[in-house]
Amino acid sequence: DTGVSQDPRHKITKRGQNVTFRCDPISEHNRLYWYRQTLGQGPEFLTYFQNEAQLEKSRLLSDRFSAERPKGSFSTLEIQRTEQGDSAMYLCASSAGQGFTEAFFGQGTRLTVV
Amino acid sequence: AQSVAQPEDQVNVAEGNPLTVKCTYSVSGNPYLFWYVQYPNRGLQFLLKYITGDNLVKGSYGFEAEFNKSQTSFHLKKPSALVSDSALYFCAVRDMSYSGAGSYQLTFGKGTKLSVIP
Repeated sequence: DTGVSQDPRHKITKRGQNVTFRCDPISEHNRLYWYRQTLGQGPEFLTYFQNEAQLEKSRLLSDRFSAERPKGSFSTLEIQRTEQGDSAMYLCASSAGQGFTEAFFGQGTRLTVV
Repeated sequence: AQSVAQPEDQVNVAEGNPLTVKCTYSVSGNPYLFWYVQYPNRGLQFLLKYITGDNLVKGSYGFEAEFNKSQTSFHLKKPSALVSDSALYFCAVRDMSYSGAGSYQLTFGKGTKLSVIP
């Protein structure tokens, strides 16, 4: 499968715990995005990387959220001190080419904070 | 700030009939517009995009969309609906307000659930 891969697919955690999600983009895609989707809503942008550089962050992204893409390949999204409001589907996407092109999404990681 | 409105939470259409899923947008500058589809337990799949050029854009699975600048709309259409088209459809617009050069983030609508009835 050469699509965007996300791990784990599901995560249940207790409030206050830290969680980390991984995203493997399509090979050679230089751009990587994280979005969050809650029930009944469209995806909301969280952050964007071009290669290893984090170039955009949403104002919605609190200090408890951090993302990395250390070698310009896979990325991790960490949420510290999780809250019930963090429960959502976390989507990763990647794109390639010059300029703004369509992004290809993974299946997401569903986080439930209890 | 850019925004996208999908005025219908749900659209029902009989199999074989034409379908339209509506989208209107608000953005500064020239819009980059996208349609994505989400099937249950699957990720968002890209259908089509408008960046420039012909107002009628053709995409995957027989879908097309018509860009109308005066009405700020980008409605998704298909001449003949299939039961397998039943899914959640999202319209999205690129944020062009980011330091004049355009952001790489998309703003999505809330989605429209399409149900094709056999």
